[in-house]
Amino acid sequence: AQSVTQLGSHVSVSEGALVLLRCNYSSSVPPYLFWYVQYPNQGLQLLLKYTSAATLVKGINGFEAEFKKSETSFHLTKPSAHMSDAAEYFCAVSGGSQGNLIFGKGTKLSVKP
Amino acid sequence: GAGVSQSPRYKVAKRGQDVALRCDPISGHVSLFWYQQALGQGPEFLTYFQNEAQLDKSGLPSDRFFAERPEGSVSTLKIQRTQQEDSAVYLCASSLGTRAQETQYFGPGTRLLVL
Repeated sequence: AQSVTQLGSHVSVSEGALVLLRCNYSSSVPPYLFWYVQYPNQGLQLLLKYTSAATLVKGINGFEAEFKKSETSFHLTKPSAHMSDAAEYFCAVSGGSQGNLIFGKGTKLSVKP
Repeated sequence: GAGVSQSPRYKVAKRGQDVALRCDPISGHVSLFWYQQALGQGPEFLTYFQNEAQLDKSGLPSDRFFAERPEGSVSTLKIQRTQQEDSAVYLCASSLGTRAQETQYFGPGTRLLVL
């Protein structure tokens, strides 16, 4: 069975600093991995996804993530945080043959001016 | 084009009432998913439709939960005899095809509060 663990329920960075949100997965088959962002009172928006092509995946808003099979990780990074990046971020793995997503508990990112 | 829409956005129900939550997926999307998101948690899978066929309902928490998608487009999630533990945000998502790596597009959710 697949699962996802997000380390750190709350991360706080200064504007302009590096953003690093951690995600580790467990999967018995090659995984499909996703990062979604959720702004208050909104649905989830896809940032990026890994589908077994390039291990370094670039997404929207300057985010990227690297799939590391040896570490079973898919950490999300952004070189320079912006105030508008403050939101909740969810890592997910595609489980089941039809692709229902299994989400982590989420990491709330705060950006200080 | 329009994204996934859900209605109502907010619903307050008294314990024991029945509620119906609507999802309008992106036109032409074959797959439709329902998720439940409790406060401070990640979304959890409830059920999956491929066109009008409900292929997976393993995540429905009890037989009080029922979902349908009769014409392969709009879907309704119905909760009978609501309980306080049903309070959550209910998210609907759709994807174009049926492959596991497809992007799911989420609606804004329906926030259900059961008093």
